[in-house]
Parts: sequence; C-alpha cells; structure tokens
Amino acid sequence: NAGVTQTPKFQVLKTGQSMTLQCAQDMNHEYMSWYRQDPGMGLRLIHYSVGAGITDQGEVPNGYNVSRSTTEDFPLRLLSAAPSQTSVYFCASSYGRGPVEAFFGQGTRLTVV
Amino acid sequence: AQSVTQPDIHITVSEGASLELRCNYSYGATPYLFWYVQSPGQGLQLLLKYFSGDTLVQGIKGFEAEFKRSQSSFNLRKPSVHWSDAAEYFCAVDTGRRALTFGSGTRLQVQP
Repeated sequence: NAGVTQTPKFQVLKTGQSMTLQCAQDMNHEYMSWYRQDPGMGLRLIHYSVGAGITDQGEVPNGYNVSRSTTEDFPLRLLSAAPSQTSVYFCASSYGRGPVEAFFGQGTRLTVV
Repeated sequence: AQSVTQPDIHITVSEGASLELRCNYSYGATPYLFWYVQSPGQGLQLLLKYFSGDTLVQGIKGFEAEFKRSQSSFNLRKPSVHWSDAAEYFCAVDTGRRALTFGSGTRLQVQP
C-alpha cells in the first residue's frame, strides 16, 4: 500500500502563478483533509472532505480551492499564489467511526517568491 | 470554535528522565483527542488517541496520556525518555467533522 501520496515534494512559484498540489490515497478512505504547517503555529486546517462531492472550509481557506470528484483524490488549488502561502502542506485521510487515526502524506514544501 | 493550547514551545530533558507535555482544549463537549509526533522532515505519526472509557490511555513507544475532564486537559507522559524521542509533538482534537484542530506543538530536545 502506498498510503497517502502527495506530489510534488518541493515547489517554487512566482507570485501570481497558479498550481495544484496533488493528494491521492489508496486505502478507500472516506475522509480527507489539507493542512498547512508554519513555524510556531502547528498545523492549520485549510479544507476537508467527508466524501466524494462533499467539501467544506477549515480555519484558513482563503486563497485555496478544493474539489473531490473521486474517493481517492483530493487536489488543493492555489489560483494566484502569494508569499503568505509559503508553507509545508500536508494531506491526510481517515475512515470509520470514533477517534480514528488520520494518515498523513509526507508533505509538499511550497515557496512563493 | 474549538481550540487547542500547548503552553510549552520547547522542552529539554535528559535521557532517562521523565517527560510530561501539556495540552488543554476548548470545546463544549469532549472531543476526540490525539497526540501525534513529527520527526524532522517527516510526516506525522499517531502516538495515541482518546474518546471515552479509561482516562489513562497507552500508546506506542512507551507513551501514555491522561484525560482530565475537569481541567480540559490531555497531557502526554513518558517515564523514561530516549534520545530517539527528540521530535515535535502535537496535541489535536476532532470535534466530529473528521478533520483535526492542532495545537502549536512542543519541540522536545533530549540531552545525553
């Protein structure tokens, strides 16, 4: 099992450029989510999904779009990158009832110059 | 809205010493509670979790955590720290939406 796969691992963007961070899981998990990690701030929830076709905003959604057309994939789109979006991005997936474990990808380090 | 506070940004302990990392949450009910660990340059690994039942929960790598409803706390403990425990530790809650709210993390340094 590959688990949760994020691509790319590293990316440098110029201000105003757009890009999509990819996240794919092969565990048939219902729930997927995106976080950004910044020094001293922990991980903050950007968007999340409880199933294909269903997404919702987290605490820091501005500047990011998501969609979930399949169970496996949950891409994160930056429409017009800004230096404030320089961060490490993590995707996670989980399933089931109760306090279930979230499985995390290895992260994408994004720098916007 | 829910929130998680980890008051200690950085803790240094000697190898073999005991460890306690603090976590307090703010939420109207008892959420699902978690501790995750992140080694440098790595993703996150679940140490342990809690929702109900025995308030002392055991996790991997010899860690345990105690839930105290009256204090809205979920502190992580380990009786004897190993050098390999040096990492960043995150407390997190899930209020049922199947996504996590994290604390800001505690970086653990272990002295030989």
